[in-house]
Amino acid sequence: EAQVTQNPRYLITVTGKKLTVTCSQNMNHEYMSWYRQDPGLGLRQIYYSMNVEVTDKGDVPEGYKVSRKEKRNFPLILESPSPNQTSLYFCASSLSSRGGDLRETQYFGPGTRLLVL
Amino acid sequence: GDSVTQMEGPVTLSEEAFLTINCTYTATGYPSLFWYVQYPGEGLQLLLKATKADDKGSNKGFEATYRKETTSFHLEKGSVQVSDSAVYFCALSASTNAGKSTFGDGTTLTVKP
Repeated sequence: EAQVTQNPRYLITVTGKKLTVTCSQNMNHEYMSWYRQDPGLGLRQIYYSMNVEVTDKGDVPEGYKVSRKEKRNFPLILESPSPNQTSLYFCASSLSSRGGDLRETQYFGPGTRLLVL
Repeated sequence: GDSVTQMEGPVTLSEEAFLTINCTYTATGYPSLFWYVQYPGEGLQLLLKATKADDKGSNKGFEATYRKETTSFHLEKGSVQVSDSAVYFCALSASTNAGKSTFGDGTTLTVKP
């Protein structure tokens, strides 16, 4: 089954304790992206990757890191989480970014709900 | 920068009512436009899309037309069902900033029997 998986689905942690949220897709998609969803703010893009070893900042990258060492995986790293990073996080992937234009559908994972105390 | 403005919610309708959710955008170039739907406890999934001016996207009875002159992509459905209750997001992917994707705040729709 074609899908985007995220782990963990739920996480409670404390301020300053490094964590990684994994994202994996089995559709051979070039493009992957991370978003956070907060009430009243919709989805905001954190980082995206056009292909292996190519990553770029979205609208809210502060406090986050990503890496894209292989095509299927795109982990989100919080080196020193803070309470303002409490949110619902979504990973997404897309078939291509032809001509530098993301016209294809994005496929979303089920979400990771993070609480930072 | 790019932006998407959606009609504020929540929206509550009775079954079989007509639905319109307004969406307007600001972007340079010629963006692609999308409507995504999020059912309770799930991730987003594509509802419909349009990649150029005057294109009409349609799916499951929902429609939206890419209007460049009014920079709009309003979502419509002639007769909503209880199962359409969800959060709807308008989104754009800019043609001038590869990889960037901008979403609206989302509109919560509740359909009552």
